[in-house]
Amino acid sequence: GAVVSQHPSWVICKSGTSVKIECRSLDFQATTMFWYRQFPKQSLMLMATSNEGSKATYEQGVEKDKFLINHASLTLSTLTVTSAHPEDSSFYICSARANTDTQYFGPGTRLTVL
Amino acid sequence: GESVGLHLPTLSVQEGDNSIINCAYSNSASDYFIWYKQESGKGPQFIIDIRSNMDKRQGQRVTVLLNKTVKHLSLQIAATQPGDSAVYFCAEVQNRDDKIIFGKGTRLHILP
Repeated sequence: GAVVSQHPSWVICKSGTSVKIECRSLDFQATTMFWYRQFPKQSLMLMATSNEGSKATYEQGVEKDKFLINHASLTLSTLTVTSAHPEDSSFYICSARANTDTQYFGPGTRLTVL
Repeated sequence: GESVGLHLPTLSVQEGDNSIINCAYSNSASDYFIWYKQESGKGPQFIIDIRSNMDKRQGQRVTVLLNKTVKHLSLQIAATQPGDSAVYFCAEVQNRDDKIIFGKGTRLHILP
């Protein structure tokens, strides 16, 4: 089946720094990628949808200037958490969709901001 | 706004018994529904999906039932095994190329 990877799998950073998370589709081209955030014992909340070569569409309440998304190629999307603070600590999950309708999820990235 | 929710946050089942996880949804415009399994520290894993024009679909050891009249979705797992321990999410999609909206999740705990 289709594989989506994320890097890093976990990251610890200091408050005020920026962190970049990568999402890659390994064996297919993803026209659309999605970014989710999951707090402990909660569900996945969609943050934004990105289409290759165009600007991301953010969900209501998600700050686009804080969570920068780049989808420069059909196999890579990046999420940059700028000026991270402890409340940004969460599990970030991406998913990727090819021309078919199936979304494939990545393994997630655990972000801890000190 | 409309959302997908679950009746029980935690379900404990004896190993070997069948598990039934329930989900209520409110968006009658949703085109299809998906069940995901999420193990601790991992991304969600697709289990089974069902279109809104169906009322039942079976997979390997799993069955999804859809009752559009009462807007209810359930996941049945036959002969529950220790490896089934996880959080299960129902999710809805308004149309197949749209975003996935996740429900709250139910933790399935397997008793020895």
